[in-house]
Amino acid sequence: KQEVTQIPAALSVPEGENLVLNCSFTDSAIYNLQWFRQDPGKGLTSLLLIQSSQREQTSGRLNASLDKSSGRSTLYIAASQPGDSATYLCAVLRSNYQLIWGAGTKLIIKP
Amino acid sequence: EAGVAQSPRYKIIEKRQSVAFWCNPISGHATLYWYQQILGQGPKLLIQFQNNGVVDDSQLPKDRFSAERLKGVDSTLKIQPAKLEDSAVYLCASSLGSGRVNQPQHFGDGTRLSIL
Repeated sequence: KQEVTQIPAALSVPEGENLVLNCSFTDSAIYNLQWFRQDPGKGLTSLLLIQSSQREQTSGRLNASLDKSSGRSTLYIAASQPGDSATYLCAVLRSNYQLIWGAGTKLIIKP
Repeated sequence: EAGVAQSPRYKIIEKRQSVAFWCNPISGHATLYWYQQILGQGPKLLIQFQNNGVVDDSQLPKDRFSAERLKGVDSTLKIQPAKLEDSAVYLCASSLGSGRVNQPQHFGDGTRLSIL
C-alpha cells in the first residue's frame, strides 16, 4: 500500500531564506510525483510535476527533486517571500492513475 | 480558460440531513474527480469518472454517498444522510484524460461542509 509522508507538518522561516520541504513515499512504482500549493479556503494549484524517469524540475524559484530508489522528493524554495505562505502538498501517481497524497506542510514566511 | 467551478462554496447542515454539491469541469476534460479533504489531511479520492463512466469508486461510502455525471460534463455529489464525520472540504478536479498520465489535475475551490 502506497503511503506518502510529509515532514514537518508546519514550518516558519524569515523572509529571504532558502528552504526545503520533504516528501517520502513507500512504493517506488509511481508514474510521477507532483507538488501542489493550497491557499486557505482554496483548491490546489499544481506547482511542479516530475515524471518517474526524471530527477528534477524547476519553475522560477522552485526546484523539485525526485529519488525513486529512496522514495524521497524535496521541494526547494529560493529567496522565500511572504506570498509563499501556504500549505504545500505532494502526491504520487500510481499505476491505476490514482493520486496518493501527503498531509501537507504548512509554510509561514515571516516578513 | 475558465477553471473548475464548484457550488456552493459553503454549506452547513444538521446530521441526518441531505446535501448535494455541483461541479462543472474545464471544457474538454474527460476525467472528473471528487475528493474529500478533512482538516489537516491530504485529499482522499472518493470517485473518478472518465466521461460518464465510473473508473474508481472504491473509497466512496456507498451507503450514504452517491455521485453522477450523466452527460459526461457536470457532476453532482450527494450525501444522504450526513454524519458528523462528513465535515470536510469536497474538492472537484478535472483533467484531459486518465490515459495521459502526465496531464495535471485542475482543482476547483471546493465546498466546505459543516455538519452540526
